[in-house]
Amino acid sequence: QVQLVESGGGLVKPGGSLRLSCAASGFTFGDYYMNWIRQAPGKGLEWLSYITSGGSYSYYADSVKGRFTISRDNAKNSLYLQMNSLRAEDTAVYYCARGTNPPPDHWGQGTLVTVSS
Amino acid sequence: EIVLTQSPGTLSLSPGERATLSCTASQSVASNYLAWYQHKRGQAPRLLIYGASNRASGIPDRFSGSGSGTDFTLTVSRLEPEDFAEYYCHYYGSAPLTFGPGTKVDIK
Repeated sequence: QVQLVESGGGLVKPGGSLRLSCAASGFTFGDYYMNWIRQAPGKGLEWLSYITSGGSYSYYADSVKGRFTISRDNAKNSLYLQMNSLRAEDTAVYYCARGTNPPPDHWGQGTLVTVSS
Repeated sequence: EIVLTQSPGTLSLSPGERATLSCTASQSVASNYLAWYQHKRGQAPRLLIYGASNRASGIPDRFSGSGSGTDFTLTVSRLEPEDFAEYYCHYYGSAPLTFGPGTKVDIK
């Protein structure tokens, strides 16, 4: 069955960096666009970024453009999110999710990122 | 960017009652690229509806979606205990993709 497992979350100081990973299994990873989506405490879902199946193109929300970079390694069935210049408002549970159109149909359980001094 | 608004913010209902949730887009949504998700705390969001009115795989038929243009509705015909959750509409036509702020359906 389809599985997405995020890792790499944790506590980081403002201005710091963190790299999230998402390990995919149960489907042909290289056939799908992939997303990162987050939920801050007490807030709703926020789409952050998606990357095309081959990795050639990526798109970002304005809130993370220039600070976050999405990438993928289809040989390793893995999706990544490099997060730089982290701010307190980036504190959230970060989800990877499969597909954009049709919309994401499988999501991971999420990994918590806390930005605090 | 298409901005989605949802109403009401909270809906307090009893099991067996009908729930009607609204989602309004700031501009017309091409090809009905509008989806609905159910989200419970500590769980992954669950895709319910895509293309405004198509039920996702495994979704019970008490969930239905309707609408076009800028106005969309998710209806749960008879609430089951497991349906009390947060619901989000989602625009997925082109970047930036967006989510509405959510409607919480809680037990009256």
